[in-house]
Amino acid sequence: GDSVTQMEGPVTLSEEAFLTINCTYTATGYPSLFWYVQYPGEGLQLLLKATKADDKGSNKGFEATYRKETTSFHLEKGSVQVSDSAVYFCALLPGSARQLTFGSGTQLTVLP
Amino acid sequence: GAGVSQSPRYKVAKRGQDVALRCDPISGHVSLFWYQQALGQGPEFLTYFQNEAQLDKSGLPSDRFFAERPEGSVSTLKIQRTQQEDSAVYLCASSLAELTYEQYFGPGTRLTVT
Repeated sequence: GDSVTQMEGPVTLSEEAFLTINCTYTATGYPSLFWYVQYPGEGLQLLLKATKADDKGSNKGFEATYRKETTSFHLEKGSVQVSDSAVYFCALLPGSARQLTFGSGTQLTVLP
Repeated sequence: GAGVSQSPRYKVAKRGQDVALRCDPISGHVSLFWYQQALGQGPEFLTYFQNEAQLDKSGLPSDRFFAERPEGSVSTLKIQRTQQEDSAVYLCASSLAELTYEQYFGPGTRLTVT
């Protein structure tokens, strides 16, 4: 079945460091790919998405490119801030289904 | 505007008790989803409604779990005879239309079964 494998956490970085959180997926067909973020005490929020191969999703300085050849959707940010501290979830939406399949999440802590 | 709301935010139940968890989706959203999130894990799909019709309940872990959305807006997830393994955060999400990608999530209900 469909699955998402995410980089194990937790990840701790200093402010202004470069961030990469790896995400790979297994799916039949052509899924859409997402990154969700969960700030402490809040619900999941959509951070960015890509709906087809080679699409790049971007938002708030975060980027991820849909790579079909490597079945990956790695999240990157050039310079993290303390306010980026949160749990990040990679997810896919299969073409034939309505429900999201999530990875296990990566806790990011950014220190000042 | 108001987002997805869930109540209660926290629920402690003794093993064997029944619980009911409520979800108020964003007004006008057609699709509604329930997910279960165990500690340290990503959310896992439970069930999906389009308006009042429950189109997919393949993720419900046992027949002790039941969900309804009788008027196509508010939804209730009911768990009968709770077990310790039911302890988790239960997330509700809604989306505007069947074919839209973005699901808007509520803050969740944390259920602890003692």
